[in-house]
Amino acid sequence: KQEVTQIPAALSVPEGENLVLNCSFTDSAIYNLQWFRQDPGKGLTSLLLIQSSQREQTSGRLNASLDKSSGRSTLYIAASQPGDSATYLCAGPTQGGSEKLVFGKGTKLTVNP
Amino acid sequence: KAGVTQTPRYLIKTRGQQVTLSCSPISGHRSVSWYQQTPGQGLQFLFEYFSETQRNKGNFPGRFSGRQFSNSRSEMNVSTLELGDSALYLCASSLEWRTGVGYTFGSGTRLTVV
Repeated sequence: KQEVTQIPAALSVPEGENLVLNCSFTDSAIYNLQWFRQDPGKGLTSLLLIQSSQREQTSGRLNASLDKSSGRSTLYIAASQPGDSATYLCAGPTQGGSEKLVFGKGTKLTVNP
Repeated sequence: KAGVTQTPRYLIKTRGQQVTLSCSPISGHRSVSWYQQTPGQGLQFLFEYFSETQRNKGNFPGRFSGRQFSNSRSEMNVSTLELGDSALYLCASSLEWRTGVGYTFGSGTRLTVV
């Protein structure tokens, strides 16, 4: 059974700082991992998808890596901006044919001007 | 193109009542999944529908049910509401089911049970 954990639950940084959000998962047979962003009271926006055959994906100032052997993924945000303030969630599919997403509880990021 | 539309956005109900939430997927998307989000449990999978059939179900009591119509729109119903059902209910649509990717989420329905 896939379990996903995100630490820390909250993070506050000054504008311009580079930062790393962490995600760990229990089933190393995971075949993809996704990072989402959620703004207050809103739905989820997909940021990056890493397939199991890949080690990392990049989109603008965001870079996500996947290390299946250690059961970890990281989301790197370069030169953070106040507009990056949101909750970031990682999710991986379960195994056994259901492919439903199992989410971590998220890291709430605040970037202070 | 239009995104995933969930109605209503906010809802206040009394314990014991029942509620129906609606989700209209992106045009062409045939799969709709429902998730419950609470501060304590985070996002938890409720069920997934594809071609009007429930394909997958999470670990929720039978008070939670859903259906999908021929136009892929989906509804979920919660009967005999409890205080613990207060949550943000999110639906997500995708082209196919069992892909694990390609989901587009709606903005959710905030349900408050008093």
